[in-house]
Amino acid sequence: GDSVTQMEGPVTLSEEAFLTINCTYTATGYPSLFWYVQYPGEGLQLLLKATKADDKGSNKGFEATYRKETTSFHLEKGSVQVSDSAVYFCALKGSSNTGKLIFGQGTTLQVKP
Amino acid sequence: DAGVIQSPRHEVTEMGQEVTLRCKPISGHDYLFWYRQTMMRGLELLIYFNNNVPIDDSGMPEDRFSAKMPNASFSTLKIQPSEPRDSAVYFCASMIARDTYGYTFGSGTRLTVV
Repeated sequence: GDSVTQMEGPVTLSEEAFLTINCTYTATGYPSLFWYVQYPGEGLQLLLKATKADDKGSNKGFEATYRKETTSFHLEKGSVQVSDSAVYFCALKGSSNTGKLIFGQGTTLQVKP
Repeated sequence: DAGVIQSPRHEVTEMGQEVTLRCKPISGHDYLFWYRQTMMRGLELLIYFNNNVPIDDSGMPEDRFSAKMPNASFSTLKIQPSEPRDSAVYFCASMIARDTYGYTFGSGTRLTVV
């Protein structure tokens, strides 16, 4: 079945450092891919998405490119801030149209001043 | 739009008591999902509905858990009787199938069973 694998956390960075959180997926067909962010004490919020190969999703300085050849959707940001400290979830929506998202296990990011 | 609304935000109850969690999805959304989040197990899908009909309840941990969606604007998740291991944050999310924006999550209900 469809699955998502994220890099293990926690990831600890200093402010203004470069961020990469790896995400790879297994799916049949052409899934849509998402990154969600969860700030402390809150629900998950959609951060960015990509619906077809080579699409780049971007929001709030974060980017991720849908790479079908490597089945990856890595999240990047050039310069992180303390306010980016959160848990990040990679997810896919399969082409089977069940409506269900498959989530990765989440990666905790802590940014220190 | 007020988003997905969950109530209560926090619930503390004694073991053996019945607990009911409530969710109001975004108007017009045709999918509704219930998730549970714990440190140990992460984010788990419990059950989801499409047009008020339960589609997959394979994630419901046991018969003590039940969920209903009597209409398009309301859903409940009930635990009876509750146990300490049910302590978690429970999220409701809704989605409209015809767009690609994924889910909108509520703020969650933090349940503590003592």
